[in-house]
Amino acid sequence: AQSVAQPEDQVNVAEGNPLTVKCTYSVSGNPYLFWYVQYPNRGLQFLLKYITGDNLVKGSYGFEAEFNKSQTSFHLKKPSALVSDSALYFCAVRDQGGKLIFGQGTELSVKP
Amino acid sequence: DTGVSQNPRHKITKRGQNVTFRCDPISEHNRLYWYRQTLGQGPEFLTYFQNEAQLEKSRLLSDRFSAERPKGSFSTLEIQRTEQGDSAMYLCATTDSSYEQYFGPGTRLTVT
Repeated sequence: AQSVAQPEDQVNVAEGNPLTVKCTYSVSGNPYLFWYVQYPNRGLQFLLKYITGDNLVKGSYGFEAEFNKSQTSFHLKKPSALVSDSALYFCAVRDQGGKLIFGQGTELSVKP
Repeated sequence: DTGVSQNPRHKITKRGQNVTFRCDPISEHNRLYWYRQTLGQGPEFLTYFQNEAQLEKSRLLSDRFSAERPKGSFSTLEIQRTEQGDSAMYLCATTDSSYEQYFGPGTRLTVT
């Protein structure tokens, strides 16, 4: 069965510093991987996806993610964090039927 | 704003009452998904439609839950005889064939 794990419940970063939010996955076959962000009392916003091709994927708001097949990881990164990046981040994998299977989420807190 | 709308945004109901939620997708999107999100967790798949056909239902979807998408456009999710455990955020997402799903703002259900 497909699954996703986000090992950190919370990540704290100072504004201007690089950030990483970790995600590992378990799938049969080729993974289709996604990152979404959720602000309080809002739906999820799509950030980026990996389907095939370059292992470094660039997305919205300056975020990028690195697909690593050998480590079965898809970590979200940003070179310089903003206070406005503070939110809940979800990693997800798409199964064969098309539905998304989400990790439990990581709360990102960026302090000035 | 992703273009997916959900109504109502909030619903408070008493245990045992029936509730219905509506999702209006992006017009050209043929796939529509329902997810449920409880506090501190990632969204969990409930069911999905391709056009008007309901193609998959999660085991989470008890017989008190029913969903429809009568003309392949908007969708409704009904919960009969609500229980306190039904309290959650109900999210709708739609997609065409480009893999990423676009989420609505959600309907927050509170069962008292």
